[in-house]
Amino acid sequence: GAVVSQHPSRVICKSGTSVKIECRSLDFQATTMFWYRQFPKKSLMLMATSNEGSKATYEQGVEKDKFLINHASLTLSTLTVTSAHPEDSSFYICSAWREGSAFFGQGTRLTVV
Amino acid sequence: GDSVTQMEGPVTLSEEAFLTINCTYTATGYPSLFWYVQYPGEGLQLLLKATKADDKGSNKGFEATYRKETTSFHLEKGSVQVSDSAVYFCALFSSGGSYIPTFGRGTSLIVHP
Repeated sequence: GAVVSQHPSRVICKSGTSVKIECRSLDFQATTMFWYRQFPKKSLMLMATSNEGSKATYEQGVEKDKFLINHASLTLSTLTVTSAHPEDSSFYICSAWREGSAFFGQGTRLTVV
Repeated sequence: GDSVTQMEGPVTLSEEAFLTINCTYTATGYPSLFWYVQYPGEGLQLLLKATKADDKGSNKGFEATYRKETTSFHLEKGSVQVSDSAVYFCALFSSGGSYIPTFGRGTSLIVHP
């Protein structure tokens, strides 16, 4: 069964609004989670590392004020895309490390219209 | 730095054909190696892994052997099915303790009936 659950799987929002994506670790605690963005027919691009109880670590070129990450508990990390624009439309995936392997959420297809 | 190189796709096969997807890597130390599969519109699923040289990972008829001498981790399956059509990602986690994987670009597999 799923080890990491991501919600929602699809979301459509209007330009200028904010969207929150949740990533939950099921039946285990994850002090660290990762957020990726995937462009069509491309590999995953690491956006940031989410750390429980502290600030997220963002990769170079990722706007931290644009992509707000909160890791308030050991089983939940959220990614909020603020003031979304059409160019933010993408597939966002989270992952968490468990027993020597990385497990991924189902992904969230964000479409900004 | 670490890197993973995968053969470019798409790989197009007929059902029951033999599959090989090449993956080579460069890394310091002794990384763990993984294959992930991504079905359309979904996140990544762990397919198999190997954590040390000469280990063979296997799952659902897929196999890959960790070859340190050739720095390779090629994915094979003796008889593919239409349901195997997906994108396959080779990845490594360096032994330095970082939980951030290095991914290959992904190889698309298309299996025709």
